[in-house]
Amino acid sequence: AQKITQTQPGMFVQEKEAVTLDCTYDTSDQSYGLFWYKQPSSGEMIFLIYQGSYDEQNATEGRYSLNFQKARKSANLVISASQLGDSAMYFCAMRERTLAQKLVFGQGTRLTINP
Amino acid sequence: NAGVTQTPKFRVLKTGQSMTLLCAQDMNHEYMYWYRQDPGMGLRLIHYSVGEGTTAKGEVPDGYNVSRLKKQNFLLGLESAAPSQTSVYFCASSYPGTGGNGYTFGSGTRLTVV
Repeated sequence: AQKITQTQPGMFVQEKEAVTLDCTYDTSDQSYGLFWYKQPSSGEMIFLIYQGSYDEQNATEGRYSLNFQKARKSANLVISASQLGDSAMYFCAMRERTLAQKLVFGQGTRLTINP
Repeated sequence: NAGVTQTPKFRVLKTGQSMTLLCAQDMNHEYMYWYRQDPGMGLRLIHYSVGEGTTAKGEVPDGYNVSRLKKQNFLLGLESAAPSQTSVYFCASSYPGTGGNGYTFGSGTRLTVV
């Protein structure tokens, strides 16, 4: 079974600094997808970035990039030039390679940006 | 375009009471899911459905039942609520072969069982 591990329960970063949120995964599948979601204090789940296991380039979306190291089974989220509005919970997730393509989530990392 | 709508948004139940959470999507998505979110545990899958009339158990199904009589609706039932079911519940939907932003989440239902 797939498993996602986020080892940082909380992170504190100064505004404008870059921050890396760690995510490791465990799967025996060759084809899979990795996702990052942001959950602000208002509670909604906001999609940030996606990486397919066969994608050769690391995914980027504006200030977000995904540092994908397939051999190490890691998919870290990098946020450049952090902003106060980046303070939130961040979840890493993997899509199972099953008919239902269920998402399996990590425990989450609470990121706090200090002014 | 409403996306995924969950009702109610908040509810307080007494132990032993029953209730149904409604999830409705207007995107014609085949797949629908119910997750619960607890502190330090991320989102865990309760039940899911791959199409109208189908349901299946997820990681933490005990104490819950579901139904998907119509493609656009996915109902989550608690027959006899317990304090351990205090949580935030999220419904989500997707379509086959999705990647990227293919999953749509509802805004959540905060349930407290006292």
